[in-house]
Amino acid sequence: GAVVSQHPSWVICKSGTSVKIECRSLDFQATTMFWYRQFPKQSLMLMATSNEGSKATYEQGVEKDKFLINHASLTLSTLTVTSAHPEDSSFYICSIRQDNTGELFFGEGSRLTVL
Amino acid sequence: QKEVEQNSGPLSVPEGAIASLNCTYSDRGSQSFFWYRQYSGKSPELIMFIYSNGDKEDGRFTAQLNKASQYVSLLIRDSQPSDSATYLCAVMGGATNKLIFGTGTLLAVQP
Repeated sequence: GAVVSQHPSWVICKSGTSVKIECRSLDFQATTMFWYRQFPKQSLMLMATSNEGSKATYEQGVEKDKFLINHASLTLSTLTVTSAHPEDSSFYICSIRQDNTGELFFGEGSRLTVL
Repeated sequence: QKEVEQNSGPLSVPEGAIASLNCTYSDRGSQSFFWYRQYSGKSPELIMFIYSNGDKEDGRFTAQLNKASQYVSLLIRDSQPSDSATYLCAVMGGATNKLIFGTGTLLAVQP
């Protein structure tokens, strides 16, 4: 069964609105979660590393005020795309790392389309 | 130089043949190496991981790692049309503990 639940799987919104994506670990506690973005025909690009109980670590070039990450519990991390614009349209994928084995599991992804 | 490099393809092989996918990486301190398969519009799914030099086999899949050459490959035996997908090489460790992906190789298995 699924180890990671990501919701919503797809969302369409108007430019200027904010969108929240949830990533939930179903089978184990995850201290660390990762958020990736994938544009069409491109690879996954790491956006940020989400750590439970502390601030997320963002990759170079990723605006932390635009992509708000909250990792309030050991099973849930959220990514909020604030004031979304058409160029933010992408496939957003979360990943969780099992603390004791280091193995990574991916969510199903969330396809965001900003009109 | 990109951190993880793959030939974007497409790599076309006939059904039943061996598909060979290659990947090179720049960080010599990298410790863990992964192959993911991604179907169009879907999230990546893990096929194999390898940590040590040499070969690792799992069913029709064999991962090969050569740390001296900073090279990792994936062989798919008896390729099936259902294997048609983008194969992503990912590397972890070294300077950071992040999983860095290559751009992927598109594999097309012809019936």
